Parts: sequence; C-alpha cells; structure tokens
Amino acid sequence: EAGVVQSPRYKIIEKKQPVAFWCNPISGHNTLYWYLQNLGQGPELLIRYENEEAVDDSQLPKDRFSAERLKGVDSTLKIQPAELGDSAVYLCASSPGTVVDEQFFGPGTRLTVL
Amino acid sequence: AQTVTQSQPEMSVQEAETVTLSCTYDTSESDYYLFWYKQPPSRQMILVIRQEAYKQQNATENRFSVNFQKAAKSFSLKISDSQLGDAAMYFCAYRSAWGGSEKLVFGKGTKLTVNP
Repeated sequence: EAGVVQSPRYKIIEKKQPVAFWCNPISGHNTLYWYLQNLGQGPELLIRYENEEAVDDSQLPKDRFSAERLKGVDSTLKIQPAELGDSAVYLCASSPGTVVDEQFFGPGTRLTVL
Repeated sequence: AQTVTQSQPEMSVQEAETVTLSCTYDTSESDYYLFWYKQPPSRQMILVIRQEAYKQQNATENRFSVNFQKAAKSFSLKISDSQLGDAAMYFCAYRSAWGGSEKLVFGKGTKLTVNP
C-alpha cells in the first residue's frame, strides 16, 4: 500500500514569494491533516479535512495561508506571501476517519525562506 | 487546552541496552489516547505504540512498552534491546477521545542516539 505522498520534498524561496505544497493521502482515507513542524519542535496542526470539508482550521493563519482539498482526495497548502518565519517542515497526514484511527504521515516538505 | 511535556531533549543508549523516555501531559479529560511516534532523519513519522486511557494494562509492541500512570499523567516509553535503527526523534502525543477533536498534540521530542 502506498503511503502519504508529498511534494516537493524541499523548497527554497525568497521572502514575499508564494509557495504551494501538495499532498496525496492514502487511498480511501477520508481525513487529511496539515501539520507545521518548526525546528526542534513537535508538529502542530494547521488544518484538518473530513473529505472536502475543513472541519478544524483554527490554527491556520488565514491572512497568508490557504488550503484546499478538491474532491476530497489531494490537498494543496499555499502561503502567499511567505515570510522568514515560515521556514519549517510542513507535514501531511491522513487517517481512515474515526477518532481511534492511526494517522499516517508523509515525509514532509522542508521550506526555507530567504 | 492539553499540553504534552518531554523533559529529555536528548538521550543515549548502548546497543542492546534498555532506555526509558519520559512524557507527562496535562488534561482535564478522562478519556483520551496517548501515542509515541518515531521520526528518523528522513522525517517520516511512524507510530510506535498507542495507549487508550481507559485501559489499565500497559501497551506493548515487541521491544517497545509503555508505563502509563493515569493519576500522575505520565506516559513513558521503554525500549528494550536497543538497536541502531532505533536512533531517531521520539515524540509523545495526546489525542482527545471526544469526536470532533482528532488533532494530535505533540511534545517537543527526545532525540535518541544508539551507540554501537
């Protein structure tokens, strides 16, 4: 079974530029998560989707961050414009959909903003 | 809000020896789940072990076991017969059992080094 796929693995951009990250969850997983992992920290939830609906986006900085999950499968996380403090690893995870289900993580995208 | 604390930024162990990683958490909920995740340098987070708060019996997965002390809000991970492949960041995580709150709350992690 294929795992959670993320691309790109690495991204380097200048500040004020836009950037987008893509995630393809495990087939059949209804729930998709985007986490932010700063250096030396544990991941923090940015947004959670149940199918195509964002059911928890309370931690998403909506002035510059946006996300979408069209057709309830793939998801894209966008930052516009990027700031120096956005340098971090962006992790995507998916789960079949209930509270007891394990979350499966992708390898992450490491963003460096210069 | 729930918090998870890992007080050991780094730990080291000799190959084949046993090591215990500490984790404490704070919550007012009575039903929840606790997890240990492993994150090797490649960054793919992998679930090591899970504990349901309503279960008194400590979870065990091969060489990995936990010591769950609900009253003390403590959840430590014991790795027996440590192997070189166990070297990684280990994160303790909490999740509410209440439907609608499926996010994981992570600690800051413990970096485990395994010495040959």
